[in-house]
Amino acid sequence: GQQLNQSPQSMFIQEGEDVSMNCTSSSIFNTWLWYKQDPGEGPVLLIALYKAGELTSNGRLTAQFGITRKDSFLNISASIPSDVGIYFCAGQSPRPGNNRKLIWGLGTSLAVNP
Amino acid sequence: DTGVSQDPRHKITKRGQNVTFRCDPISEHNRLYWYRQTLGQGPEFLTYFQNEAQLEKSRLLSDRFSAERPKGSFSTLEIQRTEQGDSAMYLCADEEAFFGQGTRLTVV
Repeated sequence: GQQLNQSPQSMFIQEGEDVSMNCTSSSIFNTWLWYKQDPGEGPVLLIALYKAGELTSNGRLTAQFGITRKDSFLNISASIPSDVGIYFCAGQSPRPGNNRKLIWGLGTSLAVNP
Repeated sequence: DTGVSQDPRHKITKRGQNVTFRCDPISEHNRLYWYRQTLGQGPEFLTYFQNEAQLEKSRLLSDRFSAERPKGSFSTLEIQRTEQGDSAMYLCADEEAFFGQGTRLTVV
C-alpha cells in the first residue's frame, strides 16, 4: 500500500544535540501527524498539523506542514535521553467519505548518548 | 494516558487457535480504527467503524479476520485459525489519532 518516505531511518546523537527528520509523499495530504512509539507500546501523538505552512511547537518539538502539502518535518531541540524511541510521521489524504485512515512512514529510530 | 484501552496486552496462541481482542475507545468518539504493525514497519490500516457500522476493510483483512462494534462503543477483532504470519501488534485508534497500547500477538 501507499507509504510515506521518512528519513533518516535511524540517528545516533549526543545528549543536547538538535534532531531533524522529515517525511515526503508523492500525493498531497490534508493532515500530517507525528508520533513517538516506545517498544511494546502504541504510538503516542506528539504534534498534529492541519494547514499547509503551519508551524507548531510542543515543548522542545517543532513540526511544520509543507507548503506543497507533500512533506513535513519534525525537529527536536536539546535532546535528552528520554527522547529515545521511534518517531513516525503519518498523513491523511483527501478522500471522499469520512474514513480518515492514516498512511505511515517507516519510522526514524533515535538513540541518544548521555 | 491516551484514553483508549486494549485488552489483552499480550497474547500467545498456538497456530490454528482463535483469538479475540478488545478495544475500548474514549466514550464520546464515533470513529474507531484497527491497525496492524509488524516489526520495523509503520502501522497498516485494517478496518474502520463509524459508530456501529463497519465502513471500510483493507485487503489485509482476510476472511479469517472479523471485527465488530455492536453498540458503537467497544470493538472486538477476532482472528480465526491463526497462522504464524498473524503475529504482530494490533492497534486500536479512535478519531484516527489516539492509539491504545496495543495487543501483541504471537502465534507459535
